[in-house]
Amino acid sequence: GQSLEQPSEVTAVEGAIVQINCTYQTSGFYGLSWYQQHDGGAPTFLSYNALDGLEETGRFSSFLSRSDSYGYLLLQELQMKDSASYFCAVRDRTDKLIFGTGTRLQVFP
Amino acid sequence: EPEVTQTPSHQVTQMGQEVILRCVPISNHLYFYWYRQILGQKVEFLVSFYNNEISEKSEIFDDQFSVERPDGSNFTLKIRSTKLEDSAMYFCATPTSGDLDTQYFGPGTRLTVL
Repeated sequence: GQSLEQPSEVTAVEGAIVQINCTYQTSGFYGLSWYQQHDGGAPTFLSYNALDGLEETGRFSSFLSRSDSYGYLLLQELQMKDSASYFCAVRDRTDKLIFGTGTRLQVFP
Repeated sequence: EPEVTQTPSHQVTQMGQEVILRCVPISNHLYFYWYRQILGQKVEFLVSFYNNEISEKSEIFDDQFSVERPDGSNFTLKIRSTKLEDSAMYFCATPTSGDLDTQYFGPGTRLTVL
């Protein structure tokens, strides 16, 4: 089967750094994406890794290790508005997204 | 500016009734996807559409589901006889500006089956 596992919940304070991990097992792999979803909202794209290494986009960075079937999302200088659910997603050989179990991030003042 | 709009934003229906969810992409993408998300759970793939044909469907997408592009612009997802377990958010998505690496999700339709 296909699975992407994430921690269910992470908490942190404003200004801190958090890392959300994702391990995957899929039949095909074209890249690992990260999406943010606020309560009642749609998933919004944050970052994408097709190759090993670190991608940086402002306060957010994403890392991929294809040999380990592992990636993470790093959020720096946390703000209250970062409180949301974060999903990793694999783009498979047919270009659909297979989503992870999701991590709920709570940022406290 | 949003690339995708969806209507209605919320649909309440009785079990056994038919519902039609609509999605209108702003740009004329060839690729198109429907996903659903049961409250508190992960987003699940339903069906993909390429060049006006279904290219792949998941095991969730059984005979009760159908997808069409009735007039060349908007897409519809029809559930023929709704069940309680069909209650979920339904999202349509298209690749961002033709880039298959990222997908833009519409705002979703919340379907409540009573």
